[in-house]
Amino acid sequence: NAGVTQTPKFQVLKTGQSMTLQCAQDMNHNSMYWYRQDPGMGLRLIYYSASEGTTDKGEVPNGYNVSRLNKREFSLRLESAAPSQTSVYFCASSEGQLMNTEAFFGQGTRLTVV
Amino acid sequence: AQSVAQPEDQVNVAEGNPLTVKCTYSVSGNPYLFWYVQYPNRGLQFLLKYITGDNLVKGSYGFEAEFNKSQTSFHLKKPSALVSDSALYFCAVRHNAGKSTFGDGTTLTVKP
Repeated sequence: NAGVTQTPKFQVLKTGQSMTLQCAQDMNHNSMYWYRQDPGMGLRLIYYSASEGTTDKGEVPNGYNVSRLNKREFSLRLESAAPSQTSVYFCASSEGQLMNTEAFFGQGTRLTVV
Repeated sequence: AQSVAQPEDQVNVAEGNPLTVKCTYSVSGNPYLFWYVQYPNRGLQFLLKYITGDNLVKGSYGFEAEFNKSQTSFHLKKPSALVSDSALYFCAVRHNAGKSTFGDGTTLTVKP
């Protein structure tokens, strides 16, 4: 019953360092998403992948890249971390692009950039 | 553009009392509305959704939500609050290509 698994759970980076956040889902979902959560700002979509082999920008894509490695895995990369990227990052998946399907979320990665 | 507003940052209720967490929306076309709950240091969990049909939707943990098209609202309700209901609640609207827009969240505190 793993659902959506994110690694790592916590990370501290220095400004300019790079890292990749990993996400995997075992529900055979087609669509996957990366969000960031900042206090008082809800969740903002960074990138999403409607299906294997496709990725598209969301609301706040600058400073990030993604890879949909296969149907299960969707990674988020910070090439040169900035303090403004300090946030909690959530990966999510859903059955597809249908409007009536809910999303399933991972437990989050708390990232601090110093 | 699709948008969701949660007008209250914080809602406080006493255990056993009814609770309401408010949400209003703006969409073009038919609304697909969702409520999620987030417990501390956890991801969001789905509570319930409105797609079509009955305006009163029932979901997990005894929660329900009332869809009101004329007031463009989708308020979350529970007849009798529990201390364990204390959490952060998000309203969301689903739109094109499966993307969702989330409200800023409402912190619910239920006091014993």
